[in-house]
Amino acid sequence: SQKIEQNSEALNIQEGKTATLTCNYTNYSPAYLQWYRQDPGRGPVFLLLIRENEKEKRKERLKVTFDTTLKQSLFHITASQPADSATYLCALGGYIPTFGRGTSLIVHP
Amino acid sequence: NAGVMQNPRHLVRRRGQEARLRCSPMKGHSHVYWYRQLPEEGLKFMVYLQKENIIDESGMPKERFSAEFPKEGPSILRIQQVVRGDSAAYFCASSPEDREGTSYEQYFGPGTRLTVT
Repeated sequence: SQKIEQNSEALNIQEGKTATLTCNYTNYSPAYLQWYRQDPGRGPVFLLLIRENEKEKRKERLKVTFDTTLKQSLFHITASQPADSATYLCALGGYIPTFGRGTSLIVHP
Repeated sequence: NAGVMQNPRHLVRRRGQEARLRCSPMKGHSHVYWYRQLPEEGLKFMVYLQKENIIDESGMPKERFSAEFPKEGPSILRIQQVVRGDSAAYFCASSPEDREGTSYEQYFGPGTRLTVT
């Protein structure tokens, strides 16, 4: 069955550093991969979408890579800030994306 | 441009009652999705609707749950005879219609937190 893996342990980093989150998947060949941010008690917020023929996508301090051979996506936040602290979800698929459980990021001042 | 709206934000029901959750998609969006999220778990897809049509309900429990998206008005997720296990956050998301039939990002509402006592 399809499986999406995101690190269940929180990632703690110092302000100003680059945060890197990983999304691995198996038994799946998605044409699209998306990243969302979710704050406690709120709905997810769309951040970036990358297509299978794109290796990398950037938006301001965010960068996403998509390696269909490794079946992995990396999500980077450069110059991280305490306000970036949240849970980050990856989602794979077409019309009905499948969401991972998310990784919590904590940026310490 | 208002975002996706959901109401109520919090809903408390006793076992056996009915719960009705409403979702108004973003203006111009014709696709609506419902998800359920339990603490420490990921978003679980329930149902995908377009106006007056259920496109995919593969994530919906076979009994007690139903959804609709009428021509006029919000989408409704209805849970009959609620049980404690239905307690969760229910999120609605919408996406625009895409003529090429490709996937689009989804825009989520704030969710409805259902508590069954």
